[in-house]
Amino acid sequence: DSGVTQTPKHLITATGQRVTLRCSPRSGDLSVYWYQQSLDQGLQFLIQYYNGEERAKGNILERFSAQQFPDLHSELNLSSLELGDSALYFCASSFTSSDTQYFGPGTRLTVL
Amino acid sequence: DQQVKQNSPSLSVQEGRISILNCDYTNSMFDYFLWYKKYPAEGPTFLISISSIKDKNEDGRFTVFLNKSAKHLSLHIVPSQPGDSAVYFCAASAEGMRFGAGTRLTVKP
Repeated sequence: DSGVTQTPKHLITATGQRVTLRCSPRSGDLSVYWYQQSLDQGLQFLIQYYNGEERAKGNILERFSAQQFPDLHSELNLSSLELGDSALYFCASSFTSSDTQYFGPGTRLTVL
Repeated sequence: DQQVKQNSPSLSVQEGRISILNCDYTNSMFDYFLWYKKYPAEGPTFLISISSIKDKNEDGRFTVFLNKSAKHLSLHIVPSQPGDSAVYFCAASAEGMRFGAGTRLTVKP
């Protein structure tokens, strides 16, 4: 158990819909990261927040957005969903940007 | 952004033999390197790391080697066990972390 929690575990929705994925970091960690893993692909970095502020952006689509709240939990919002958005979405946390990242169990999103 | 590359998508070894997973990087500013292990339907878990000031770090059956001049990192697992079968991700950090695409290791009994 990494200490990072993600909800929901599974999500099935239709094209065009909007969903919100939630992540609670390990106690004491200030940085939260979001990754996407499509079928047989590596981890694609989406976005990082540090203590409530956006720190780095990766390959995140404009239809996707995220935020980190004062209690340090984070949400990833995916809108106008397409079939190709079906993937595993992982959240990770670390104390600073250079520290080891600890991953949550992931949310499996299926867009039908 | 291919700053961290794992050129072998898969590797198969016999139980008891050595597994060697390789990783190359391009950014000379990376100063901390990590290996993560991922089982299906689970999040990646941290395995072992090495700072750029070292060239070797050992933890039980796992050893990571760093060759800074070649910008090359490798993970040695010896002896390999069937439970080591997983996808292994190499990662490098310098004001942010970058991951390789992963190598699927299969250890055959």
